[in-house]
Amino acid sequence: GAVVSQHPSWVICKSGTSVKIECRSLDFQATTMFWYRQFPKQSLMLMATSNEGSKATYEQGVEKDKFLINHASLTLSTLTVTSAHPEDSSFYICSGREGSSYEQYFGPGTRLTVT
Amino acid sequence: DAKTTQPTSMDCAEGRAANLPCNHSTISGNEYVYWYRQIHSQGPQYIIHGLKNNETNEMASLIITEDRKSSTLILPHATLRDTAVYYCIVRVVGNTDKLIFGTGTRLQVFP
Repeated sequence: GAVVSQHPSWVICKSGTSVKIECRSLDFQATTMFWYRQFPKQSLMLMATSNEGSKATYEQGVEKDKFLINHASLTLSTLTVTSAHPEDSSFYICSGREGSSYEQYFGPGTRLTVT
Repeated sequence: DAKTTQPTSMDCAEGRAANLPCNHSTISGNEYVYWYRQIHSQGPQYIIHGLKNNETNEMASLIITEDRKSSTLILPHATLRDTAVYYCIVRVVGNTDKLIFGTGTRLQVFP
């Protein structure tokens, strides 16, 4: 299957700072990218969907001003957690899909810890 | 998307077949059944998907009932590396669809 990478794989930041997570599709053009969040022992929760060159669509309850998503190219999407707080500590996973492909490919995830 | 119901956890002996059930009684005619799995602290991995017919690939088999209200994922010879959370998802394939994960089944393969 196609490959999606994320960087960094883990990050620790101080409360009040911002952190950016990159998601890259390595061998396909991700016209749509998805960002998920997963708390310990819970399932993945979809945060937002973005199409290349368009603004992201956020799921209900997800603060768009806190979780900034940029999808400026067909191979790169970024998630910026602004003014991070300890409750934002979580496992963030991105996913990409090419067009209306049957398959959606997931990155390895980024573990964010806010102290 | 229609919702799915899966058992919370299952055990399977190494080398035996693991049969993971999923109920999707409100599935629509144009919704596919997808299976993903997530090994601890990794991103989900695609396993298989189907619409009406049974499907098989190098990883697993997918058996969908004739009324499409339930399905079973079969791992023919489970190994310890198959220990993971398995998610059954129904999805309309299209430009605007999205994968919504339920709680999944935690499969523990034991020696």
